[in-house]
Amino acid sequence: DGGITQSPKYLFRKEGQNVTLSCEQNLNHDAMYWYRQDPGQGLRLIYYSQIVNDFQKGDIAEGYSVSREKKESFPLTVTSAQKNPTAFYLCASSIWLAGVTGELFFGEGSRLTVL
Amino acid sequence: GQQVMQIPQYQHVQEGEDFTTYCNSSTTLSNIQWYKQRPGGHPVFLIQLVKSGEVKKQKRLTFQFGEAKKNSSLHITATQTTDVGTYFCAGGTSYGKLTFGQGTILTVHP
Repeated sequence: DGGITQSPKYLFRKEGQNVTLSCEQNLNHDAMYWYRQDPGQGLRLIYYSQIVNDFQKGDIAEGYSVSREKKESFPLTVTSAQKNPTAFYLCASSIWLAGVTGELFFGEGSRLTVL
Repeated sequence: GQQVMQIPQYQHVQEGEDFTTYCNSSTTLSNIQWYKQRPGGHPVFLIQLVKSGEVKKQKRLTFQFGEAKKNSSLHITATQTTDVGTYFCAGGTSYGKLTFGQGTILTVHP
């Protein structure tokens, strides 16, 4: 089946540790996104990428890093510099054509808890 | 930077009443999308609007994109209990950034 796969679904981390969230898509989409969702709040953009080996900071990039070495993969690292990392993280992909972002296809999300 | 504001934050209605949520961007958008998220789930795409003044309908849902491409609305006629969830707008720019509004949480009382 085509889609977005995020792993792990749940993750616990001690303060001071880095953690990497995986996001893989087999939809052949050019664009990929990482959003953070806190309880009762909207989705805030962390990083996005329209092409391999290129990515842009979103609105809350501090304390996070990404890479886009392959079209189908866009892993997110939550570093120890992120002051409040406990959240629900959503990865998405879309087509991107003529300056218009297409429908976002979301993964099931990764829930990170820092102990 | 670009901001997308959405109101109201919460809306409680009786089943059968109408519901509207509004979205305003600080900058002109290339497109706007609407999503619905059920509790515990991920956002699911509803529709995309691209043209100035565009209006689209999906059964009881009506979506509008403003003439200046800076605002949008979603209207649900005669709500049903299956409409419960959080509705998000997301404004797109020509360089690929998609910014979500804060969402409107809809509850429907039978």
